[in-house]
Amino acid sequence: QKEVEQNSGPLSVPEGAIASLNCTYSDRGSQSFFWYRQYSGKSPELIMFIYSNGDKEDGRFTAQLNKASQYVSLLIRDSQPSDSATYLCAVNPLINYQLIWGAGTKLIIKP
Amino acid sequence: GAVVSQHPSRVICKSGTSVKIECRSLDFQATTMFWYRQFPKQSLMLMATSNEGSKATYEQGVEKDKFLINHASLTLSTLTVTSAHPEDSSFYICSAHSGQIFKNIQYFGAGTRLSVL
Repeated sequence: QKEVEQNSGPLSVPEGAIASLNCTYSDRGSQSFFWYRQYSGKSPELIMFIYSNGDKEDGRFTAQLNKASQYVSLLIRDSQPSDSATYLCAVNPLINYQLIWGAGTKLIIKP
Repeated sequence: GAVVSQHPSRVICKSGTSVKIECRSLDFQATTMFWYRQFPKQSLMLMATSNEGSKATYEQGVEKDKFLINHASLTLSTLTVTSAHPEDSSFYICSAHSGQIFKNIQYFGAGTRLSVL
């Protein structure tokens, strides 16, 4: 059973601080990794994707991938109240283009 | 780019009626589309994978005769909830995937909130 694990939270971070979200996956053959943000009552929106080991930065967001340890993380710098949402980690095990989804981590940014 | 339109955004219907939900990729051809269901405070649950021109593949426990999926073109997939009952009330979300240019990324529609009375 291919699994993606996330801490459900809530993770509470003060405004302006760095929020760190983590995700581990079980399928060592997975090749692509995604972070989606989902506001309450809305559908998921893609934040970042990463394919190679190391860091990938996009504005205030940094995705980190370590295939040897089978984890992927998302860092949000200068956290804003608008970043408060549930963050979903998804992994592509290359089977019919399906994604294996984590249950999501609820992030709360406190003003 | 990569816009997915889902319609309607909200529907309220009586028990026993059928509801059709449309999912369109507006600026790319979607070889594969996915249909998800999400209950409050729960994660996404994949219902089925829809491939253009072929029958959908349903996940275990999803009734294919109740949730009819048609992927008639590279830009349109529909989900019909037949004989809807209150337990079918949920948030239904589609996603589309091109398989080439966007490297396995799924782009989501805005979702349809179904309420069955």
